[in-house]
Amino acid sequence: GESVGLHLPTLSVQEGDNSIINCAYSNSASDYFIWYKQESGKGPQFIIDIRSNMDKRQGQRVTVLLNKTVKHLSLQIAATQPGDSAVYFCAENFNTNAGKSTFGDGTTLTVKP
Amino acid sequence: NAGVTQTPKFRVLKTGQSMTLLCAQDMNHEYMYWYRQDPGMGLRLIHYSVGEGTTAKGEVPDGYNVSRLKKQNFLLGLESAAPSQTSVYFCASSYPGQGVTYEQYFGPGTRLTVT
Repeated sequence: GESVGLHLPTLSVQEGDNSIINCAYSNSASDYFIWYKQESGKGPQFIIDIRSNMDKRQGQRVTVLLNKTVKHLSLQIAATQPGDSAVYFCAENFNTNAGKSTFGDGTTLTVKP
Repeated sequence: NAGVTQTPKFRVLKTGQSMTLLCAQDMNHEYMYWYRQDPGMGLRLIHYSVGEGTTAKGEVPDGYNVSRLKKQNFLLGLESAAPSQTSVYFCASSYPGQGVTYEQYFGPGTRLTVT
């Protein structure tokens, strides 16, 4: 069968390496997904989003992959920098649900210089 | 644009005291939300509002009340604080609509300790 990345609560990478953060979502009806970054002492900030009619979306240094078959999202960060150290949350939404997001547990990314 | 602001930033309460947290947004967003975040955990929705004068319960509403008398403000009240309400509280807002993203804009948070 297909291999799907596990959600890990913490991830430590070397500066310059690529990072992959995984998320399993719960609702097969969800049609919109967001990744947020939360730096220490701050509120979450939008990074990138993807709709359910796509399986990949790229931003600047970040890529989100969506696998609806196994209800899995991943966030790939290229050339990880110390400023990327933060907690990363995935969030799932479905249309007409008052914009309410269901948030995952988060992954703490630490970038070692 | 200040975005989403929250007051106060920090507060310590004794058990049984009451307080109100204020959230304000200047982006003309229709939807507003209150979350709590406990150590090492994600965000849990307390209450939300889809427009001025409307409120609805989220995932963990017990012990909290909210009001949205003006579109730009969303108040969260604790009637009788309990130690279990020690947490960081985040307010967020978003703009609904077909073809529009559901990105939420978050405030900086209020750190509340109940002793």
